[in-house]
Amino acid sequence: ETGVTQSPTHLIKTRGQQVTLRCSSQSGHNTVSWYQQALGQGPQFIFQYYREEENGRGNFPPRFSGLQFPNYSSELNVNALELDDSALYLCASSPVPGQGGELFFGEGSRLTVL
Amino acid sequence: DAKTTQPNSMESNEEEPVHLPCNHSTISGTDYIHWYRQLPSQGPEYVIHGLTSNVNNRMASLAIAEDRKSSTLILHRATLRDAAVYYCIPTNYGGSQGNLIFGKGTKLSVKP
Repeated sequence: ETGVTQSPTHLIKTRGQQVTLRCSSQSGHNTVSWYQQALGQGPQFIFQYYREEENGRGNFPPRFSGLQFPNYSSELNVNALELDDSALYLCASSPVPGQGGELFFGEGSRLTVL
Repeated sequence: DAKTTQPNSMESNEEEPVHLPCNHSTISGTDYIHWYRQLPSQGPEYVIHGLTSNVNNRMASLAIAEDRKSSTLILHRATLRDAAVYYCIPTNYGGSQGNLIFGKGTKLSVKP
């Protein structure tokens, strides 16, 4: 068990709606990253937060946004949902950016957009 | 970012060793080589990482070629629980650590 928990585990939305996914990092970790994994593909990096500031972003449009809170929990928000946003969304935490070592992933939130 | 080439799939028998290859010929001198695996219906799980020397841990061994253009993940005795997709990921710690670039990986099947 990694200690990274995500909610909800599954959800269904319709095109145009907005969604918020939540992540609780492993204890002692102050860096969180979010990934999108489409069916049959490897995870793709969305962005990373360190000390409540965005600290790196992948090739995703601005309608993908995030927050990190003082207790190091995090949210991923997606506005104006599109059918292609259907995917598994993964959260990963790590101690300090740039220090190496491993990322600890949660089990993900599976989003279906109809 | 270094590109990686891995076989799409491999098969192994239970309790036999498995060698999972990865080609990363464009790797930079400061990139570490990370391996993660993803079991069905789970998030990725760290397996091992190294820079130049071969590495061992309780899960696996990592053999890195002298020119660092390729590496091999070795599972010494495959179990059914090792059936997963294995990803080889060169990573530069100078950049955003959370930005792992996953390819499609190798899907390992283990037969009883």
